[in-house]
Formats: sequence, structure tokens, C-alpha cells
Amino acid sequence: AQSVTQPDIHITVSEGASLELRCNYSYGATPYLFWYVQSPGQGLQLLLKYFSGDTLVQGIKGFEAEFKRSQSSFNLRKPSVHWSDAAEYFCAVDGADGLTFGKGTHLIIQP
Amino acid sequence: EAQVTQNPRYLITVTGKKLTVTCSQNMNHEYMSWYRQDPGLGLRQIYYSMNVEVTDKGDVPEGYKVSRKEKRNFPLILESPSPNQTSLYFCASSFLQGALFSPLHFGNGTRLTVT
Repeated sequence: AQSVTQPDIHITVSEGASLELRCNYSYGATPYLFWYVQSPGQGLQLLLKYFSGDTLVQGIKGFEAEFKRSQSSFNLRKPSVHWSDAAEYFCAVDGADGLTFGKGTHLIIQP
Repeated sequence: EAQVTQNPRYLITVTGKKLTVTCSQNMNHEYMSWYRQDPGLGLRQIYYSMNVEVTDKGDVPEGYKVSRKEKRNFPLILESPSPNQTSLYFCASSFLQGALFSPLHFGNGTRLTVT
């Protein structure tokens, strides 16, 4: 069965600092991978997706993610975070079992 | 504006009193799904529908019902709510099953409290 692990429940980053949110997946075939963001009181919004091709994918709001097959990872990065990036971030894999989400990482931005 | 609309946003009810959470999308999506979000557990799928009159169980279907009589509507029904169904619920839709061909569009959520 497919699964997604986000090892960090909470991450605190200073405004202007770089960010990396970790995501590891388990899936037998080539995965389709996604990052979603959930702002307080809102639904989920797609940040970016990986289907095939270039392993570095660009998303909205200045985010990018890199697919590393050898590490079964799809980490989300941003070079300089803004206070408005404070939110819950979900990694997801789309496979034979449909869309499976990780448990989320809560991002806190320090002034 | 393309959107998924859930109602109500907040609902407090008592154990055993039937309730329905509505979900409507205006994007002509075939695929619709319900998730519940609980602290530390992330999002878990309750039910999904690939098209009108086609529904299937997700990971946590117990205690829930759904129907898909029209393409745009996918209500979530709790026949006899219990406190363990206190949660934040999200409806989502996309053009095809899963997110392979189009991203999931999410509603803003319904926070349900069952006392």
C-alpha cells in the first residue's frame, strides 16, 4: 500500500530564512507527487505537482520541490519565507489507491 | 468563479441527530470526494464518487453515507452522529479520478462538533 511520511510535525523558521519541508513516500511504481498548502480557516490549495520529466518542479508562491527517486523523497523548498507562508503543508502521492496525504507539517514563521 | 462550496462552515449537534453537509462544485467535475482532517492524522478519505450514481468507500467510511444524484452535488450524510465524528471535513473535486489529470479543488471545510 502506498504511504506518505512527513517527519516534521512543526517547523519554525525566521522570516527571510530558507525553508525545506521533508516528504518521503512509499509506492511501488513511478509516483505522482503533490504539495498542498492549507492556510488557517481555508481549504487546501495545490502548490505544485510532479508527474515525470525534470525532477525539480516549480510551483506557485515561490515554492519548488525536488523528486529524488533514490531517496523516495519529494522535499519542498523556498529560498526566503514570508510571514504569509505560515500554514499547514501536506505532501500527497497519487497511486493505485488514489490520493494519499501525509499528516502535514505546521509551519511557524518567526518575525 | 470556479469553486467548491460546502455548507455549513460550522455545525454543532448532538449524538444521534441526523445531519447533512452539502457540497457543490461549478466546474463540471466528474470526480468528487470527502475527507476528514484530524490533528496528527492528516486527511483521510471518507467516500468518493467518479461520476453520477457511482460512489465508493474511502479509508474511513463507517458512520457516513453519500449520494451523487447530480454531477455538481455530493452531500455527506451522518445518519446517527457520534462524538468520534467531531472533525474538520473537506469536500474536493477534480476532472478525473485522483489528481493525475487535474488538481483537486477543495472547499473551505466544515467544522463539525458532536456532543
